[in-house]
Amino acid sequence: GAVVSQHPSWVICKSGTSVKIECRSLDFQATTMFWYRQFPKQSLMLMATSNEGSKATYEQGVEKDKFLINHASLTLSTLTVTSAHPEDSSFYICSARANPGQGSLRELFFGEGSRLTVL
Amino acid sequence: DAKTTQPTSMDCAEGRAANLPCNHSTISGNEYVYWYRQIHSQGPQYIIHGLKNNETNEMASLIITEDRKSSTLILPHATLRDTAVYYCIVRSPTGTASKLTFGTGTRLQVTL
Repeated sequence: GAVVSQHPSWVICKSGTSVKIECRSLDFQATTMFWYRQFPKQSLMLMATSNEGSKATYEQGVEKDKFLINHASLTLSTLTVTSAHPEDSSFYICSARANPGQGSLRELFFGEGSRLTVL
Repeated sequence: DAKTTQPTSMDCAEGRAANLPCNHSTISGNEYVYWYRQIHSQGPQYIIHGLKNNETNEMASLIITEDRKSSTLILPHATLRDTAVYYCIVRSPTGTASKLTFGTGTRLQVTL
């Protein structure tokens, strides 16, 4: 089946630094990718929708200048957490939507997640 | 996406069927019912989806009531590996966003 890969799977950084997380669709083209954040024992919260070649759409309450999203190709979206602080420590998960018309309705595939710890 | 209501947690003995209910009373005509699960510290995994007919695949069965206001996910022979949080989501497959909005899900604990 379709595979979405995230890198790194975990990262530890110092407060004030920036961290980039990559989301790749390995065997399909993804016009749209979604970024979620999940705090311990909570559900996934959608942060933003990433569209190839255009600006991302952020959910209410998500700072676009802090969480920079770039979707430069049909197989790669990146999330950069700028000036990270301990409260940004979370599990970040991406999902990728296969291009419309390319098969089944289960066209949203999820990555394995990236755990960020900010010291 | 329409909201869904699921029990917070459920237990199931290994080898027995796990029946996970979901209420989606405000579902609209073109919205499908999707089920995903999330094993600890992993990304969500697709299980099954349906519109109005019952569906079955290698993982599970999905029973949707005739009025489509509720559904049940059935894991016919639960194993310890099925311990996870199960999310029931309704969404339209069309449209520019097609995003999934996750509720709180049901935490299924499979025990020996």
